[in-house]
This record gives sequence, C-alpha cells and structure tokens, in this order.
Amino acid sequence: GAVVSQHPSRVICKSGTSVKIECRSLDFQATTMFWYRQFPKQSLMLMATSNEGSKATYEQGVEKDKFLINHASLTLSTLTVTSAHPEDSSFYICSARVSTVGGNQPQHFGDGTRLSIL
Amino acid sequence: DAKTTQPPSMDCAEGRAANLPCNHSTISGNEYVYWYRQIHSQGPQYIIHGLKNNETNEMASLIITEDRKSSTLILPHATLRDTAVYYCIVSAYSNYQLIWGAGTKLIIKP
Repeated sequence: GAVVSQHPSRVICKSGTSVKIECRSLDFQATTMFWYRQFPKQSLMLMATSNEGSKATYEQGVEKDKFLINHASLTLSTLTVTSAHPEDSSFYICSARVSTVGGNQPQHFGDGTRLSIL
Repeated sequence: DAKTTQPPSMDCAEGRAANLPCNHSTISGNEYVYWYRQIHSQGPQYIIHGLKNNETNEMASLIITEDRKSSTLILPHATLRDTAVYYCIVSAYSNYQLIWGAGTKLIIKP
C-alpha cells in the first residue's frame, strides 16, 4: 500500500518551455503533498507544501510564480515549472501523506522526475 | 525540528546485519524518529518510524534508547540491493515537514 506515482520520470526540453509534473497517490487519499528538489550529490530540499483545495505554502527562496502548484483533488498534485531555464535542471520529487487524524503518518515518495533544460 | 547526526558512510558484508546509528540529542517529546533510504536516482523509500518504543516491520528494526537521544536502524540480513543513502529524520507530531541531512551512505559488499 501507500503508492505514489510521479510522471513523467524524465523530461528534456528547450529553455523557455513550461513543464508539468504530476504526482498521484494511487491507493490512499492525501490531504497534504510535498514537492522537493534535489541537486546532484545533495540532500532533498523542500520547495513547497501543497494542501488539497488551498494555496500551496512555499519555502523561502522558492518563486511561487515560477513553480506553480495545484492540488485539486485528494489524489493529485501538479507542479508546473514555468519558462524553465538551464538552472532549473534538477531532480524533482513529490511525496504524500495518508490522511488520518494522527500526525505521525510517514510521507511516501514518488520516483522523481529528472528535468533537463537545454 | 531537532537535528540529527549520522556517520557519512558505512560498509557491511552481504548477509550480515547492518546497524546504522543516529544521534538526535535535542529531540523533543513529541518528535518521532523516521528512517528513509534513497537508492541512486530514485525517490526516497520509507522504512520505519517510532516514538519511544522499539519497532519492527518487514524491512527493518528500529531501536530507540530510553532517553531517546539516539537510535539504531537494523537491517537484519543485508543484501546488495540495500546499498543506498539512509536518512534519519526527527519530526514533530504537528509538523509534517521533513528536514533532510546528508544521511549515511551504506555500501553492502559481496
């Protein structure tokens, strides 16, 4: 159980293109989803917390107009990298928590999206 | 959230138990200890978590000291597929965010 699907797994596109990444919880409902970014040989960095039906909360230094997050249902959150540039090339990973009353439920992660901007 | 300290790397022979330590001396009473691992170029995989009692599941065992200032993740019979970076994270009941350190790079050797 607790499977998170992330799509696409790899994207290569030209500078200036907008790219949408989908994150789905396949067998559970997730009121909260998270988006992370990971550069080579570094740890995961939280970009934003996405709550179903409300605006995402962005971490300091993350441009909300560049990284658009939509969490329209309990099983789907999307991250759109708008007008992507080479410096946006990275490994983007989403996670989701099972919606329960208790707050200690772990996050479950997708397999990530490797974004390469030429 | 409390910080954690882990050794940067460890080796373990295939078939042996791998014991990964983690120090979290500033952990608060409401913070859980979570363990994840990340195999190269994949998303992190949840392993186990606990508050103060020892925990065991099909993947691993988690031993938390009585004062909760440190813990050990035990992979009972390590295989080559267990080679990964292992992260120990503490997170509060009411705080859903996970702060990722550098983790321990575990290499299982044949």
